[in-house]
Amino acid sequence: QKEVEQNSGPLSVPEGAIASLNCTYSDRGSQSFFWYRQYSGKSPELIMSIYSNGDKEDGRFTAQLNKASQYVSLLIRDSQPSDSATYLCAVNSDSGGSNYKLTFGKGTLLTVNP
Amino acid sequence: EADIYQTPRYLVIGTGKKITLECSQTMGHDKMYWYQQDPGMELHLIHYSYGVNSTEKGDLSSESTVSRIRTEHFPLTLESARPSHTSQYLCASSGLLMGGSEAFFGQGTRLTVV
Repeated sequence: QKEVEQNSGPLSVPEGAIASLNCTYSDRGSQSFFWYRQYSGKSPELIMSIYSNGDKEDGRFTAQLNKASQYVSLLIRDSQPSDSATYLCAVNSDSGGSNYKLTFGKGTLLTVNP
Repeated sequence: EADIYQTPRYLVIGTGKKITLECSQTMGHDKMYWYQQDPGMELHLIHYSYGVNSTEKGDLSSESTVSRIRTEHFPLTLESARPSHTSQYLCASSGLLMGGSEAFFGQGTRLTVV
């Protein structure tokens, strides 16, 4: 069973702080890693993708990938109340042959307090 | 902005009725997915497709069925709706690159069976 694990939270941070969200995955063959943001009652929205070890920065967001440790994280700098949402980690895992299946973690609920 | 559309957005229907939830994408994506999500809960994959005439059941058992006759279209059908089918249904698609493409979501269909 291919698994993606996240702490469910809630994670509460004050406005302006750094929020750190973590994710581990079980399939060593995974090659693509994504972070989605989901506001209550809305669809997931892609915010970051990362494919190679190291850091990838996009504005206030930084994704970090360590394939040896099977670990991917998302840092949100200068957190804003509008960042309050559930953050979903997703991994493309090998379903056999050339096909890959997108597997989601359960999500971490982030609350940014003004 | 992703071009993936779901209709209807909201549906209230009586027990025993047959329903079809529509999902279409204009991005030429080969992979399409159906997820089921209850409020505040995790995403559950119920069906996925790697291309035309290819469909697979997901991790969560579902009484629904799907078809993929055209690349752009991935409808989900419930032959006889029950109150236990009440949920949000989310459709997603991802692109041609093996293991390297992001998935985009439609706006979802919120189904209520009374």
